[in-house]
Amino acid sequence: AQKVTQAQTEISVVEKEDVTLDCVYETRDTTYYLFWYKQPPSGELVFLIRRNSFDEQNEISGRYSWNFQKSTSSFNFTITASQVVDSAVYFCALSETETSGSRLTFGEGTQLTVNP
Amino acid sequence: NAGVTQTPKFQVLKTGQSMTLQCAQDMNHNSMYWYRQDPGMGLRLIYYSASEGTTDKGEVPNGYNVSRLNKREFSLRLESAAPSQTSVYFCASSEAISPRTDTQYFGPGTRLTVL
Repeated sequence: AQKVTQAQTEISVVEKEDVTLDCVYETRDTTYYLFWYKQPPSGELVFLIRRNSFDEQNEISGRYSWNFQKSTSSFNFTITASQVVDSAVYFCALSETETSGSRLTFGEGTQLTVNP
Repeated sequence: NAGVTQTPKFQVLKTGQSMTLQCAQDMNHNSMYWYRQDPGMGLRLIYYSASEGTTDKGEVPNGYNVSRLNKREFSLRLESAAPSQTSVYFCASSEAISPRTDTQYFGPGTRLTVL
């Protein structure tokens, strides 16, 4: 069975600090997709990134970057120079293509608080 | 484009009452999903519809029914609400017929309280 673990329940940083959110996953499939979603205090879920299991290149989008390492089954998310608007719950999710049917398995989320 | 819309935004029910949560998308997506979000548990899939005319159970289907009314609309019904169904409910949609590989876009959520 697939599983996603976000061991950090809550992280609190001061504005302009860099912060890394950890995500570790378990799957028996060789082909799968990983996602990060952001849930701000307003409650909606905002898609941030999708990465397939064959693409281990790190990705950078502005202040956001993602480090995918198949060897450690991790897909970590770093925010550089954090801002108060980054305060949100961040979810990592896994979609398998072979065994799980049409579903995303979510981690429990990391609550990030960026203080001014 | 409104994306994925859900009604109502908030609802309070008494135990045993029934209600239907509505979801619609205007992105011409084939697949639609219902999730529930409980504190400390992330989101869990209740039901999904890979394409118009089909529905399948997810991880936590008990106590719920769904209807894929047409390509745009996917409703979730609670026949006899229980306090354990107090949760935030999210509808999502994705483009491909093979939704396991595709990005899901979420609605704003419905906060349901069952007393």
